[in-house]
This record gives sequence, C-alpha cells and structure tokens, in this order.
Amino acid sequence: NAGVTQTPKFRILKIGQSMTLQCTQDMNHNYMYWYRQDPGMGLKLIYYSVGAGITDKGEVPNGYNVSRSTTEDFPLRLELAAPSQTSVYFCASSYLKDYGYTFGSGTRLTVV
Amino acid sequence: KQEVTQIPAALSVPEGENLVLNCSFTDSAIYNLQWFRQDPGKGLTSLLLIQSSQREQTSGRLNASLDKSSGRSTLYIAASQPGDSATYLCAVKGQGGSEKLVFGKGTKLTVNP
Repeated sequence: NAGVTQTPKFRILKIGQSMTLQCTQDMNHNYMYWYRQDPGMGLKLIYYSVGAGITDKGEVPNGYNVSRSTTEDFPLRLELAAPSQTSVYFCASSYLKDYGYTFGSGTRLTVV
Repeated sequence: KQEVTQIPAALSVPEGENLVLNCSFTDSAIYNLQWFRQDPGKGLTSLLLIQSSQREQTSGRLNASLDKSSGRSTLYIAASQPGDSATYLCAVKGQGGSEKLVFGKGTKLTVNP
C-alpha cells in the first residue's frame, strides 16, 4: 500500500495564480482531511470529508475549496493565491472518525 | 474549545537516557489521542494511538500513557538514540461532532551522541 500520496512536493506560485494540491489514498479510508502547518502555529484543519460527495469546513477554510468525487481522491484548490497561503500542506485520512490518522508527506507551497 | 499543550517545547538529552514528553488537553471528552513524529521537512509518522478506554500503548522503546480524567498523556522513550531526534506531536480527537484532530505545537527532541 502506498498510503496517502500528495503531489506536488514543492511549488512556487505568484500572487493571484491558482493551483490544485492533489491527495490520493489507497487504504479505502472514509475520512480525509487537509491541514496546513505554519512555523510555531501547529497544524490547522482547512477542510475535511467524511465520504465521497461530502465535505465540510475546518478552522481555516477561507481561500480554499475542496471536492470529493471518489473515496480515494481529495484535491485542495487555491483559487487566488495570497502570501498568507505560504505554508506546508498535509493531507490525512482515517478509516472512521475515531480511528488513527495517516498523513501524506506534505506539499511545501510558497506564494510570492 | 479543546486546547493541547506540550511541555517542554524543546529537549536535549545525551544518548542512552530515558525521557518523558508531556501532553495536556483541556476537554476530556475525546475519542483517542495520537502521538506523531515529524522529521525536519517531512510528514507526520504515527507512533502510537491510544483509545479513550485505554490507559497505555507500547511499541518497541516507546510507551504512551493516557489519563483522560486529568487531561494528560506522556510519551516515554527508553534508551534514547540520536535517530530519535525529531519533533514529537500530540493530537487529540474530540467527541461532540467536531471532526477536528487538535494538535499541540510539539516537543523538539535532540539526542546527542
């Protein structure tokens, strides 16, 4: 099993550009999550999904969008990149909400 | 609102020492608590998961305990090695409908040869 796979690993965006961060899991997990990690701030939940077709906002959803058309994929979309979105983004999944989480290796995004 | 605190923020020890990392949380209504390891520039690796009904979990040189009533967890690392150097994160999954796994800010551990 590959676990949770994130692409790309690194990306530099210009202000106002758009991009999609990809996340795929092959563990048949129902729950998927997007977090961002900023230095000294810990991990903050952006969006989550409890199954295909169902998504909901986390703590810091502004500037992001998600979709969940399949169990495996949970892409995160940045529509108009801003410097405040410079961060490391992690995707995670869990089988059910009270199961442990598996994290991807992260995407390091810089907006200039 | 659940808050998770990890003390100390950084810890430096000589190789071979046994050590304890601390995690405290404010709301005892949790499903579980999970300890992660994060190496610089890398993702999070799950170390131990303790369900709310459990008191401790062990994996190799690692032992994690959970005292839900007092809102505390400890991660015990026996016979530390330089390869244990990393940031250790504690996270709790609360009940009450929130899907949020709340993280502490981590303890940065350095094990010196």
